[in-house]
Amino acid sequence: DTEVTQTPKHLVMGMTNKKSLKCEQHMGHRAMYWYKQKAKKPPELMFVYSYEKLSINESVPSRFSPECPNSSLLNLHLHALQPEDSALYLCASSQGVRVGDEPQHFGDGTRLSIL
Amino acid sequence: QQPVQSPQAVILREGEDAVINCSSSKALYSVHWYRQKHGEAPVFLMILLKGGEQKGHEKISASFNEKKQQSSLYLTASQLSYSGTYFCGTEKGNTPLVFGKGTRLSVIA
Repeated sequence: DTEVTQTPKHLVMGMTNKKSLKCEQHMGHRAMYWYKQKAKKPPELMFVYSYEKLSINESVPSRFSPECPNSSLLNLHLHALQPEDSALYLCASSQGVRVGDEPQHFGDGTRLSIL
Repeated sequence: QQPVQSPQAVILREGEDAVINCSSSKALYSVHWYRQKHGEAPVFLMILLKGGEQKGHEKISASFNEKKQQSSLYLTASQLSYSGTYFCGTEKGNTPLVFGKGTRLSVIA
């Protein structure tokens, strides 16, 4: 079991659907991250939230919309996705915002399939 | 810029040792090491900050040579539980981590 909880674990959606991924942590971490991971590839950073504010957007298409309602919760809203968006979506958190000094704690991920 | 990991894959028998290397063409502030088992989340192993220190985690240790802009992960007396993909992540000073392509380690009995 990980300390970062992601739901759902699996999601299958059509290209016209709207869905959301949820991530929760109760470690008091102030930085939260969304990563996308394709099979046999490393995680690729999508977004970073620092103190509930979006601090980094790695040029992610607007069909992915992140939201941080509070310090424990991070959402990723999905709309009009493409088949190439099928991947494992990982959420992570770290104590502060100085990424170099602190470990990131990952959730188990949501495996997303776009039909 | 993505760090380069070597080897891409390695197969060990239980009890054997292995070294995984991570190098960058840019100056580094820190190197992170993670292990990801199939179907699971990446798990943090250790962080090395510039200063050339060596850290250890059970029978896994690592070094960081900032002049050479490289880090090495040492796995001693490998166990079956060490199997997985090892990623190094590098950053240049409060910038997002960039992960290497990974090294797939298989430990067999």
